[in-house]
Amino acid sequence: EIVLTQSPGSLSLSPGERATLSCRASQSVSSGYLAWYQQKPGQAPRLLIYGASSRATGIPDRFSGSGFGTDFTLTISRLEPEDFAVYYCQQYGSSVTFGGGTKVEIK
Amino acid sequence: HLQLQESGPGLVKPSETLSLTCTVSGGSISSNTYYWGWIRQPPGKGLEWIASIYYSGSNYYNPSLKSRVTISVDTSKNQFSLKLSSVTAADTAVYYCARQIRITMILDYWGQGTLVTVSS
Repeated sequence: EIVLTQSPGSLSLSPGERATLSCRASQSVSSGYLAWYQQKPGQAPRLLIYGASSRATGIPDRFSGSGFGTDFTLTISRLEPEDFAVYYCQQYGSSVTFGGGTKVEIK
Repeated sequence: HLQLQESGPGLVKPSETLSLTCTVSGGSISSNTYYWGWIRQPPGKGLEWIASIYYSGSNYYNPSLKSRVTISVDTSKNQFSLKLSSVTAADTAVYYCARQIRITMILDYWGQGTLVTVSS
């Protein structure tokens, strides 16, 4: 089973700042099988990025994904108030696994 | 517009079987493009994939839960279901159903989730 480790566990930033979230895999992941999700309190997760770098429908272009192999990154170029949430990466190899999440908090 | 809705008991006793159903509306569960999955989230914790199923019945299970989980599909009702046996307090969680893109298993549509508490 591929283990995904997200860092940092939490990030304290101000609106307008840039957020850089990391997702590291214990084994190489095909880029097409790596996704990022956003979850706000009391809500279901929402797909942000699929195929490591493609934005899902309706996702603003301030969200971008990059990376390959074992190291992937989600970047939010300029944080908006609605972006403060928990972010998860997810992969599919022989099984589906999620990272532990990164909480982006308002500073 | 695709919608998924979980239903089932909100309280299950320890050692009993948890049963949930996801009803899909606004799209066909028999599409050859998608799998349908269950994911759970214990209070205050992260996401855990449980199982996924194709309309034909082909399925995948989380190895850590496989011995206790059964996933099934009813194409006539546009529903799929989850059974988790021998539950304990550790199975208390919000349970989500979701649509998964075949091959990549990316989860592109989610239900709102339903809290299941295991307690006597």
